[in-house]
Amino acid sequence: GIQVEQSPPDLILQEGANSTLRCNFSDSVNNLQWFHQNPWGQLINLFYIPSGTKQNGRLSATTVATERYSLLYISSSQTTDSGVYFCAVGPGTSGSRLTFGEGTQLTVNP
Amino acid sequence: ETGVTQTPRHLVMGMTNKKSLKCEQHLGHNAMYWYKQSAKKPLELMFVYNFKEQTENNSVPSRFSPECPNSSHLFLHLHTLQPEDSALYLCASSLGGSADTQYFGPGTRLTVL
Repeated sequence: GIQVEQSPPDLILQEGANSTLRCNFSDSVNNLQWFHQNPWGQLINLFYIPSGTKQNGRLSATTVATERYSLLYISSSQTTDSGVYFCAVGPGTSGSRLTFGEGTQLTVNP
Repeated sequence: ETGVTQTPRHLVMGMTNKKSLKCEQHLGHNAMYWYKQSAKKPLELMFVYNFKEQTENNSVPSRFSPECPNSSHLFLHLHTLQPEDSALYLCASSLGGSADTQYFGPGTRLTVL
């Protein structure tokens, strides 16, 4: 199956700093999603981004499918950005499963 | 009203108990999923239902039994669980199959004594 590697595993920032989270995957994908899991366990879908670049407020993501990686950018980080960020990928065919990475634990200190 | 709801939010059960987890989605989606999230491990897909039909069973032990009576409701029936089954159980839904954006519920934190 597809392997998903996320880096760094842990990241500690001061409020206001910028950061880049990386997701590498081992095979071609037609489906890539970024999620944020808050400290209470709720997973929120941030981006559906199998290729290209998207932006949503202070967050943006870029996927370079030909080179099998995706980046999540967080600018001007806030304490509410703390939590675990997961990348999940899949072949994209109907019924195919998403494979999740192990996540990046982000802590933003005030 | 949140899109995907799960009950109960917390559950403590003994190894001989029988309990059920419930998931309901209010998004008009056709696919629903159960995931298991154990400490320090990635989310593991357990079951997938598309249009009420089970399309995937990821080698899950039979002590976990899913039920999908309609496209809006998904249950996970639990019996004779083991302590290692303690985890956060997450339900998700998507409009179509796994290729679509998945929306997650808040999860049920299960502890097996």
